[in-house]
Order: sequence, then C-alpha cells, then structure tokens
Amino acid sequence: EVQLVESGGGLVQPGTSLRLSCAASGFNFDDYALHWVRQVRGKGLEWVSGISWTSGSWNSGRTGYADSVKGRFTISRDSAKNSLYLQMNSLRAEDTAFYYCVRASGYYIERYHLDYWGQGTLVTVSS
Amino acid sequence: DIQMTQSPSSLSASVGDRVTITCQASHDISNYLNWYQQKPGKAPKLLIYDASNLETGVPSRFSGRQSGTHFLFTISSLQPEDIATYYCQQYQNLPYTFGQGTKLEIK
Repeated sequence: EVQLVESGGGLVQPGTSLRLSCAASGFNFDDYALHWVRQVRGKGLEWVSGISWTSGSWNSGRTGYADSVKGRFTISRDSAKNSLYLQMNSLRAEDTAFYYCVRASGYYIERYHLDYWGQGTLVTVSS
Repeated sequence: DIQMTQSPSSLSASVGDRVTITCQASHDISNYLNWYQQKPGKAPKLLIYDASNLETGVPSRFSGRQSGTHFLFTISSLQPEDIATYYCQQYQNLPYTFGQGTKLEIK
C-alpha cells in the first residue's frame, strides 16, 4: 500500500525557515516523481514544486517550482531514507497552508498524473 | 501558465440526479487532465486521469470526457456520499494548475 506521511509543519514567524518532510512507503521510491501541493484552508489547490526520479540518468532529479516560491523554497529527496523534503526560507504570511506530499504516476515531473496524496501538514506563518 | 476555468463553482442536486462539471483549458493540454474529489478535512482523491480513465476502485457512476480543450466530469446518479468539492487539474506542463473547484451539495 502506498503511503505518504508529511511532518514538519507548525507555527513560524515571517522571514523564518521551515523544512517539511514526507516519508514514503509501499512503492519503489526512486522510480517516481514527487510533488508538493498546498491548500489554504477553505480554498483551492496550488502546485508548489516537483522533483523527478533518481533511478535513471535521463532527467534524474530535475526540479520545478511555482513562481510564488521560486528562489525561496527548495525541493529535495533522499533515496536512503525514502523521503521527500521541502526547505522553505523567507516564509511569508501567504505561505500559510496545508502542504501535501503527492506521488506522480511515473518518473518525470511533467505529463504524469498525481495519484497518491499524503494527509498534509499545516504551516502557519504569523507574528 | 495554463489556466483551468472550472464551472460551476457550486452545485446543488438531488440524490439520483445526473451532475456535470466542466473545465476549460486555456491551451491545448492533450488529455493530461485529472479530476479529484475532496471531502472536508481530507486530502484530494484521484477519480479520473488522462481525461477519461477511471482510477482503480472508483465507482463507475463517475466518468470523464473531452472535446478539444473542453473537459466534462459526470456523476451519472448522485449518491449522498458524493458530497464533496471536485477539482480538475492539468499536468501537461509545469506549473501544474487546478480549476477553482466545484462544491457539490445535496438539494
């Protein structure tokens, strides 16, 4: 069974940093692209970032970011720990949201649908 | 960026009704479109991928079809457990983008 479990959310002040983690299990971690998607409480869904597979040489570890987070957030993955991360720096009030870890159905960050979602972790940026 | 225009934003229907939600893409996205169901306090659940393919385990009353850049999601006979918010999402190109959502309620 595919499982994605996020952690690391919490209440932080504007301008500070936070790192989210996602522990993955139930599938061959290196063979799939992974993404972060966020949702403000009661609002719609926003794609944040994605990272491609690490099994092959072609486009291994390629990353993408939404314009709203580019230069502030960094996505990474650790095959040894079967974990996905999102390092969030220079946090703003508008980054407040539930952050979901999401698996893609294939190896690349484009043209593979998102199939499995974690339950999310809440990030609140407030003074 | 590819814009996804979803309508209606809310919908009230009776049990047994046929319900249709539409999503219009601003550019050609081939068939790279998902439909999700999200219930309060839960993560989105994939229902349809590649515009018309039913995800494993999803009831057959849910369906999707496409006409060019216009996408339709249909529930053939609304059930009480279908009360949720539904989203379309394109995955042709980054940034992946979602429709605004359709909140479905029972009349």
